[in-house]
Amino acid sequence: ETGVTQSPTHLIKTRGQQVTLRCSSQSGHNTVSWYQQALGQGPQFIFQYYREEENGRGNFPPRFSGLQFPNYSSELNVNALELDDSALYLCASSFVQGISEQYFGPGTRLTVT
Amino acid sequence: AQSVTQLDSQVPVFEEAPVELRCNYSSSVSVYLFWYVQYPNQGLQLLLKYLSGSTLVKGINGFEAEFNKSQTSFHLRKPSVHISDTAEYFCAVSPLRTGANNLFFGTGTRLTVIP
Repeated sequence: ETGVTQSPTHLIKTRGQQVTLRCSSQSGHNTVSWYQQALGQGPQFIFQYYREEENGRGNFPPRFSGLQFPNYSSELNVNALELDDSALYLCASSFVQGISEQYFGPGTRLTVT
Repeated sequence: AQSVTQLDSQVPVFEEAPVELRCNYSSSVSVYLFWYVQYPNQGLQLLLKYLSGSTLVKGINGFEAEFNKSQTSFHLRKPSVHISDTAEYFCAVSPLRTGANNLFFGTGTRLTVIP
């Protein structure tokens, strides 16, 4: 069984640009969550998708948006990038909505200059 | 609201010595509790979790943790550490409710095992 994969590994963008990060869930998982991990900090919950619908959101502005596709892969889109958006973005998938173990991908390191 | 406090940002320890990484949490509702490990340039891996039942939880790689409800703590322990245990450790909670059970993480403890 394949694990959670994310692409790209690293990304450099300029302030004001838009970025799309991708995540492929572990086989059989129908729930995906996205987290932002700033340098030296713990991950912070951005939002969760269950069966292609947003199902909970953390304290992030609307310029952070997402999609989940029928094959349970997912995208995180960030518009109007700011310097503080520089972080490691982690995707985590789980089997069902609710409290089942979340499996994390290796993350995408985004640098905004 | 939930919050997690990891009391030590860095813990150096000699190889084969015991270690305890401390975690306290605050929540207005009941929570599940987790410890994750993050190796350099990797994502997070679940070490152990407390959902219910016995307050002493055993995880992978010889780690264990004890849930103390009265002290709202969930400290992680290992009786003898190895060089390979050098990593960042995160304590996390998730509220018991239907819907989006997201994880609230502490700021992490960097464990460095000294040869």
